[in-house]
Amino acid sequence: AQSVTQLDSHVSVSEGTPVLLRCNYSSSYSPSLFWYVQHPNKGLQLLLKYTSAATLVKGINGFEAEFKKSETSFHLTKPSAHMSDAAEYFCVVSDGAGGYNKLIFGAGTRLAVHP
Amino acid sequence: AAGVIQSPRHLIKEKRETATLKCYPIPRHDTVYWYQQGPGQDPQFLISFYEKMQSDKGSIPDRFSAQQFSDYHSELNMSSLELGDSALYFCASSLPRPSGRTDTQYFGPGTRLTVL
Repeated sequence: AQSVTQLDSHVSVSEGTPVLLRCNYSSSYSPSLFWYVQHPNKGLQLLLKYTSAATLVKGINGFEAEFKKSETSFHLTKPSAHMSDAAEYFCVVSDGAGGYNKLIFGAGTRLAVHP
Repeated sequence: AAGVIQSPRHLIKEKRETATLKCYPIPRHDTVYWYQQGPGQDPQFLISFYEKMQSDKGSIPDRFSAQQFSDYHSELNMSSLELGDSALYFCASSLPRPSGRTDTQYFGPGTRLTVL
């Protein structure tokens, strides 16, 4: 079975400093991995996805993630945090190799950005 | 660009009542997924439909049922509501790729159900 583990439940950074949100996955085959962001009382927005193309994936709002098979990791990074980045971030794996598979969410990491 | 539409956005019900949540997928998306997100929890998969047929089932209570209609919209019917059903219910849609990678699921804004 597929699963993801987000290593930090809360991350706090200062505005303008780098962001690192850590995620490890477990999968019996090459997975499809995603990062979604959820702002307070809002829906889920896709930040980026990995689907076996380039291992370094660039997303929206300056975020990127690197798929590392040897480390089974898919960490999310951003060079410089902005106040508007404060939100809940979910690392997500697709369960299955077919075309319509449910998503399995990590427990989430709450990112706080301080002035 | 058109997004996933969910209605209603907010719903308040009493215990033992019924509720119907609606989801309108992005045009040309024929796969729909339902997720439940409890307070402070991550979203949990409930059920999905592809071409109007149930394609997968997760931790959906027997009190809940869902279907997808000919225009691809989907409805989640919830009966005998319990306090624990209070949650944010998301619908997502995608284009299926049966022979390839999972396509991206695009989420609607959610329906917040409160059971009193």
